[in-house]
Amino acid sequence: DVKVTQSSRYLVKRTGEKVFLECVQDMDHENMFWYRQDPGLGLRLIYFSYDVKMKEKGDIPEGYSVSREKKERFSLILESASTNQTSMYLCASSIQGDNSPLHFGNGTRLTVT
Amino acid sequence: GESVGLHLPTLSVQEGDNSIINCAYSNSASDYFIWYKQESGKGPQFIIDIRSNMDKRQGQRVTVLLNKTVKHLSLQIAATQPGDSAVYFCAESDDYKLSFGAGTTVTVRA
Repeated sequence: DVKVTQSSRYLVKRTGEKVFLECVQDMDHENMFWYRQDPGLGLRLIYFSYDVKMKEKGDIPEGYSVSREKKERFSLILESASTNQTSMYLCASSIQGDNSPLHFGNGTRLTVT
Repeated sequence: GESVGLHLPTLSVQEGDNSIINCAYSNSASDYFIWYKQESGKGPQFIIDIRSNMDKRQGQRVTVLLNKTVKHLSLQIAATQPGDSAVYFCAESDDYKLSFGAGTTVTVRA
């Protein structure tokens, strides 16, 4: 089975801090994604990556950046955390190409105070 | 714009009965659809998918139906069990990106 591991289940950070959320997948998937999940809004795509050092903006990239230096690792960076970035963050991966299911990690619940 | 939504935010089902979860989508160009299950404290788990060249696909205890004419997707769960209690999401795609609905919370009554 595909395993997508997010390094932290819970994080509490202060406004203005730089925050790193880490994600690793073990199935050699080309595609990796970061979503945030908020009540009533479903899952919204922040950034995704097709390959090492490649990144593309999703639907809500403002306030975020990403890094993909190795194929198995995709990091989400909050340059200066704000309270409206309090959310559940989900990382996912998939094989190359269209029409393939995403495999998700168990999420990181981030609280910004 | 695109929107993917579920008809009902909650569904209560008696254990042993069949469940039907519905989803409407608005993007007629979507050609790939997925159902996910999310249990408390976990990430979404893939259940079943279907491509637009099909109208029905069956898995273990689950069936997905696709009606492209009315842009409607449904997930049927046979003989619902307590372990089926979760939030269910549909998702659709016309390229490499999935768009998700807000989810239906299914509660199974003993």
